[in-house]
Amino acid sequence: DIQMTQSPASLSASLGETVTIECRASEDIYNGLAWYQQKPGKSPQLLIYNANSLHTGVPSRFSGSGSGTQYSLKINSLQSEDVASYFCQQYYDYPYTFGAGTKLELK
Amino acid sequence: EVQLQQSGPELQRPGASVKLSCKASGYTFTEYYMYWVKQRPKQGLELIGRIDPEDCSTDYVEKFKNKATLTADTSSNTAYMQLSSLTSEDTATYFCARGPYEQLYMDAWGQGASVTVSS
Repeated sequence: DIQMTQSPASLSASLGETVTIECRASEDIYNGLAWYQQKPGKSPQLLIYNANSLHTGVPSRFSGSGSGTQYSLKINSLQSEDVASYFCQQYYDYPYTFGAGTKLELK
Repeated sequence: EVQLQQSGPELQRPGASVKLSCKASGYTFTEYYMYWVKQRPKQGLELIGRIDPEDCSTDYVEKFKNKATLTADTSSNTAYMQLSSLTSEDTATYFCARGPYEQLYMDAWGQGASVTVSS
């Protein structure tokens, strides 16, 4: 199975700041990567697919990039509603696997 | 509007079985995979498997092959997951999630169903 290593595990940032979350795959996943946001007590919601495509309705301050084994999620101009956990998921090879998550809090 | 409505919380004894449901609406049920994902308290996400409601074919993650059984009823647009021989390790929230055939991410999720296994 492909292992997804996500960093950092937790992150504290101020309103308006730009934050970046990283995900590293144990092998090339050819951009088969999604990012999800999960708010406390809620289900995950798709943000980004194919490494850099914004899902319908997701604010443009979210963006994804990367290739090969290294991927990142960037949030520009952090808003209070962005407080959540973020997970990456590879879907290049079954079984699809998730990163351990990044918990984003406000400073 | 795409909606996946899951069944309510369950409290079960060790050794019992439980069957969770996920009723789909707002799209053609047979045109998307249905995935099931496990999330233990304060933990990450773990794929259990998926079902293609078009022909009820299934793919299970190896560690769940003897634990979970996925089915689907196209007459009611409902997917089901049965978990057997419950232990404390099965205490978790279980999500169903829709995924397009062509793109293998999960683009809509149910609200989750909590399963607690306790004597």
